[in-house]
Amino acid sequence: QLQLQESGPGLVKPSETLSLTCSVSGGSITSRSCYWVWIRQPPGKGLEWIGSIFYNGDTYYKPSLKSRITMSVDTSKSQFSLRLTSVTAADTAVYFCARLGFNYPFDPWGQGTLVTVSS
Amino acid sequence: SSELTQDPAVSVALGQTVRMTCQGDSLRNYYANWFQQKAGQAPVVVIYAKTNRPSGIPDRFSGSGSGNTASLTITGAQAEDEADYYCNSRDSSGYQVFGGGTKLTVL
Repeated sequence: QLQLQESGPGLVKPSETLSLTCSVSGGSITSRSCYWVWIRQPPGKGLEWIGSIFYNGDTYYKPSLKSRITMSVDTSKSQFSLRLTSVTAADTAVYFCARLGFNYPFDPWGQGTLVTVSS
Repeated sequence: SSELTQDPAVSVALGQTVRMTCQGDSLRNYYANWFQQKAGQAPVVVIYAKTNRPSGIPDRFSGSGSGNTASLTITGAQAEDEADYYCNSRDSSGYQVFGGGTKLTVL
């Protein structure tokens, strides 16, 4: 079945760029019936949708983060990625990747990866 | 973007029924989904498109809604239902939004 796995540095310095990759296996990243998304969860807090990307590169970004976010997809590697610039301690969170179907909500999810912003 | 509001915490006695609510203007036009998240785990969808239950989710979970409010009901709550529950929907711009979450305690 479809599986997603996040990867990337667990520690990023303030003002630098957070970069994460989600590897998709057991299914096609070029599906025309879903988006690929990033969601984050600060320690002890709720879920926050960050953005969604279609296989052709079309994106939706959370408006409050739009100026700092870039999402991309590499169909040859079956991966999609997140870049978040100028990070601060407020960006410390568990970052999840997930699939969002046109008629089905976020499922499956990756296991999540904790990214800490600290010097 | 629109917001979804949930009660921060609710409790229920073992075997009793509990209802959690989610309020927001976007729910007047778009369905709510509900996710269960246990400590240290990724969320799992328990109800989608307001009333639909994925395969593998116990039938004690049910969803409903009207107007700007969606509800998740657990009929006969079990100890393993203790978790955080999040509602989710989209808005007219296509942006996704989550509620702040409800912490369910089973007594």
